[in-house]
Amino acid sequence: GENVEQHPSTLSVQEGDSAVIKCTYSDSASNYFPWYKQELGKGPQLIIDIRSNVGEKKDQRIAVTLNKTAKHFSLHITETQPEDSAVYFCAASSKTNAGKSTFGDGTTLTVKP
Amino acid sequence: GAGVSQTPSNKVTEKGKYVELRCDPISGHTALYWYRQSLGQGPEFLIYFQGTGAADDSGLPNDRFFAVRPEGSVSTLKIQRTERGDSAVYLCASSLNFGANVLTFGAGSRLTVL
Repeated sequence: GENVEQHPSTLSVQEGDSAVIKCTYSDSASNYFPWYKQELGKGPQLIIDIRSNVGEKKDQRIAVTLNKTAKHFSLHITETQPEDSAVYFCAASSKTNAGKSTFGDGTTLTVKP
Repeated sequence: GAGVSQTPSNKVTEKGKYVELRCDPISGHTALYWYRQSLGQGPEFLIYFQGTGAADDSGLPNDRFFAVRPEGSVSTLKIQRTERGDSAVYLCASSLNFGANVLTFGAGSRLTVL
């Protein structure tokens, strides 16, 4: 089955700096890669996703890149703000198992004001 | 409803007891998923429903776990003879249909087995 590894497990940055979180996956059949933000006491919330036919996607301060050959994808947050502080999860799923995602173990991001 | 609703938000029980966790998905979403999140880890897939039937229950850890969705909307996750290792947050998610990758998660039900 799919295995997703995520790093770093914790990340602390100053407000205004950039943050990068990286994930690798093992199953070449995976073609959908979402990123979720989870705040304390809440469920994961989708913030951005990318499909395998695209190498990069951007939404305001958030961008995701995908390298299918190397089987890794990354989340980039620019101009970080204190409200970006949360746990971020990457995940992977395939077309035949669309909702059956395999998640990484999460990155706790702290943005210091 | 506007979002995925899960009840109870917190459940404390004793080892050996039976518990039920309820999920009310977004109206019109035909696919429903249960995930389990242990402390410090990402969610792990348990089971998913397309309509009323369990299309894939390969993530259920053992036969003490069972889930139903009798009318294709609300789902109940049932855990028999609870063990301390069952303590976790149980997350429910729904999507428009199984082919739609985008999941909307509820806030979860935190289960503590003493």
